[in-house]
Amino acid sequence: DGGITQSPKYLFRKEGQNVTLSCEQNLNHDAMYWYRQDPGQGLRLIYYSQIVNDFQKGDIAEGYSVSREKKESFPLTVTSAQKNPTAFYLCASRGTTNTGELFFGEGSRLTVL
Amino acid sequence: QKEVEQNSGPLSVPEGAIASLNCTYSDRGSQSFFWYRQYSGKSPELIMFIYSNGDKEDGRFTAQLNKASQYVSLLIRDSQPSDSATYLCAGSPTDSWGKFQFGAGTQVVVTP
Repeated sequence: DGGITQSPKYLFRKEGQNVTLSCEQNLNHDAMYWYRQDPGQGLRLIYYSQIVNDFQKGDIAEGYSVSREKKESFPLTVTSAQKNPTAFYLCASRGTTNTGELFFGEGSRLTVL
Repeated sequence: QKEVEQNSGPLSVPEGAIASLNCTYSDRGSQSFFWYRQYSGKSPELIMFIYSNGDKEDGRFTAQLNKASQYVSLLIRDSQPSDSATYLCAGSPTDSWGKFQFGAGTQVVVTP
């Protein structure tokens, strides 16, 4: 089945460590996104990519990095520079149909110990 | 000022009643609007999309769009306990690659 796979679902990190969240899609979508969600809050855009080897900062990019070496993959690294990384991270992709909605992965919950 | 605003709730609705959710947006460049349902601890799932003024119905759900007044609404008829969730309103720009603007979400609680 087509969809977006995020891993791991749960991740614990010690302060000062970098961690990488995986996002893979087999929907053949060009655009991919990373969002952060904190309890009781909406989605905030971290980074997005329109095409392979190109990506743009979203509203809260500080302390995060991404790469887009393949169309199917858009990993997110949470660096030690991110001072409050505990959150629910959502990867999404978007097709170019008339509706153009975002398709979401199941999310990764990161907790800093 | 947030670009997409929603009442955070919780909106308490008796089972079988109509739940009415509202969303306002500031970006007149937004063309399409989406309602996502998000259960606690889960990822958002699309319920409805609308891009033309007026009403759009899909089962128990009706989306309404008024571009002149810059608001979008979602009605849930015959509310069920399974409708208890947070509902996110989102607007997207005209180009396919642009950034969605999400509201903070409205929590709906359907009481038996």
